[in-house]
Amino acid sequence: DAGVTQSPTHLIKTRGQQVTLRCSPKSGHDTVSWYQQALGQGPQFIFQYYEEEERQRGNFPDRFSGHQFPNYSSELNVNALLLGDSALYLCASSVTGSDYGYTFGSGTRLTVV
Amino acid sequence: AQSVTQPDIHITVSEGASLELRCNYSYGATPYLFWYVQSPGQGLQLLLKYFSGDTLVQGIKGFEAEFKRSQSSFNLRKPSVHWSDAAEYFCAVGRLTSYGKLTFGQGTILTVHP
Repeated sequence: DAGVTQSPTHLIKTRGQQVTLRCSPKSGHDTVSWYQQALGQGPQFIFQYYEEEERQRGNFPDRFSGHQFPNYSSELNVNALLLGDSALYLCASSVTGSDYGYTFGSGTRLTVV
Repeated sequence: AQSVTQPDIHITVSEGASLELRCNYSYGATPYLFWYVQSPGQGLQLLLKYFSGDTLVQGIKGFEAEFKRSQSSFNLRKPSVHWSDAAEYFCAVGRLTSYGKLTFGQGTILTVHP
């Protein structure tokens, strides 16, 4: 059973550019959350998607946006990249209403130069 | 606002020794508590979770954690550490098990000496 799949695994972008990160949730999961993990820090919640709607959002600027598709997969978009956006971006999937908790992917390492 | 504090940034133990990683949380309601482990360059793997009931929770890889409401703590323990346990450990708190954000601590890096 495939877990959470994220692509790409690594990415290098230039300041000011835009980036799209992708996440396929674990089979049977309907909810996707995105986290940013800066070096040496714990993950910080960006937002969560359920039924193709943003259900909850953390303290991130509007440059961070997302989307969830009918097959439950999700994209994270970041516009006008800053050096401070360099981080590991983690996707987590879950089943709303269940007690199973969250399953995390291995992440996308974004480097902004 | 919810928050998690992991007071120890880095802990070193000898292989075979016991381990306790500390976690204190601040939360306005009944918390859902989690411990995750992260190997270098990898995602997070769930070790164990607490919702309610028995305050001593068993997890994978021989880990356990004890919820102490009076101390707002959820410390992770293992009686005998293996070299493969070297990794970074994160404590997290949430409102539900599968809805809404998790708030993570800053993490504790575990080094295991042979």
